[in-house]
Amino acid sequence: EIVLTQSPGTLSLSPGERATLSCRASQSLDSSYLAWYQQRPGQAPRLLIYGASSRATGIPDRFSGSGSGTDFTLTISRLEPEDFAVYYCQQYDSSVMYTFGQGTKLEIK
Amino acid sequence: VQLVESGGGLVKPGGSLRLSCGASGFTFSDYYMSWVRQAPGKGLEWVSYISGSGGTRYYADSVKGRFTISRDNAKNSLYLEMNSLRDEDTAVYYCATQMGYFDYWGQGTLVSVSS
Repeated sequence: EIVLTQSPGTLSLSPGERATLSCRASQSLDSSYLAWYQQRPGQAPRLLIYGASSRATGIPDRFSGSGSGTDFTLTISRLEPEDFAVYYCQQYDSSVMYTFGQGTKLEIK
Repeated sequence: VQLVESGGGLVKPGGSLRLSCGASGFTFSDYYMSWVRQAPGKGLEWVSYISGSGGTRYYADSVKGRFTISRDNAKNSLYLEMNSLRDEDTAVYYCATQMGYFDYWGQGTLVSVSS
């Protein structure tokens, strides 16, 4: 099983600041099969990024993904009030066992 | 795209429940579908997926042998049959379209396992 470790657990920032969230895989994701999701309280998750760096439909360009191998990053260039939420990474490199990271909570400072 | 889950509720340990997910707005039979769950206050856990034809199915180890995923393409519906339920199966269960990643999600249905 591929284990994903997200850091930090909680990130406290102010609107307008830049956020950098990390996701590390326990083994290399050879095809960069990594996705990022945003989940606001009481809502279903929303796909932000797939293939490590491709934005999903309708996702603002302040969200960007990067990385390869075992280290991946989600960057939010200028935080808007609605961006404060929990973010999860997910690998789909293994087609028989999908796994999520434990999440990073992005909170208002 | 719209996905609507139903069938959640309170069930005793060892009991059974069947979840349904109604799909609309896309060609259902063209898509792999998954169930993903989230225990209260916890993270996301993939549970199971099924291919468009229904011929391929995979399960997380935590539910293997107890849960069965199925679909009825004529009814644009996805199902999850859950047997031998345990306390740790308590969660919101989401259905989602799947391309490896999960691009569209339903609003979820809550399953509570408690005596």
